[in-house]
Amino acid sequence: GDSVTQMEGPVTLSEEAFLTINCTYTATGYPSLFWYVQYPGEGLQLLLKATKADDKGSNKGFEATYRKETTSFHLEKGSVQVSDSAVYFCALRNRGTALIFGKGTTLSVSS
Amino acid sequence: EAGVAQSPRYKIIEKRQSVAFWCNPISGHATLYWYQQILGQGPKLLIQFQNNGVVDDSQLPKDRFSAERLKGVDSTLKIQPAKLEDSAVYLCASSIGTGGMNTEAFFGQGTRLTVV
Repeated sequence: GDSVTQMEGPVTLSEEAFLTINCTYTATGYPSLFWYVQYPGEGLQLLLKATKADDKGSNKGFEATYRKETTSFHLEKGSVQVSDSAVYFCALRNRGTALIFGKGTTLSVSS
Repeated sequence: EAGVAQSPRYKIIEKRQSVAFWCNPISGHATLYWYQQILGQGPKLLIQFQNNGVVDDSQLPKDRFSAERLKGVDSTLKIQPAKLEDSAVYLCASSIGTGGMNTEAFFGQGTRLTVV
């Protein structure tokens, strides 16, 4: 069945460092891909999404490009802030089925 | 626009007791989901409703878990009897799409269940 694999955490960075969180997926057809973020004490929020190959989702300085050839959707940010500290989940949705999530990657940014 | 509402936020029960969680989705959203998120893991789907019909309950432990969505709006998830391994955050989400649409899902704050 469909699945999502994302890099293990935690990821610890200094403020203004470059961030990459790797995400790969296995799915038939053409799923939509998502990154959700969970800030401490809060619910899951959609960060960005892409619905077809080569689409780039972007929000709050974060970007991810839907790469069908490598079945990847890596999350990147050029300069992280302390406020970006959170748990990040990669997810896919295929033909209207429910979201399938990766295990999550904890990001900790220090000043 | 109001978000997905869940209650209670926290619940502590003893094993073998029963518990119920409530969810009110965003108005007009046809699809409602219940997820279980165990500490350190990603959310796992328990059940998906479209309006008041079940679309997918293949991962719902039906011997102890039950869920309903009366009138296609609010939903309740029940556990009876609870086990220690049911300790988790139970997330409710809703989306506007039906059929094969891959629309965005909006999540509630979740209910943190601790079984002792």
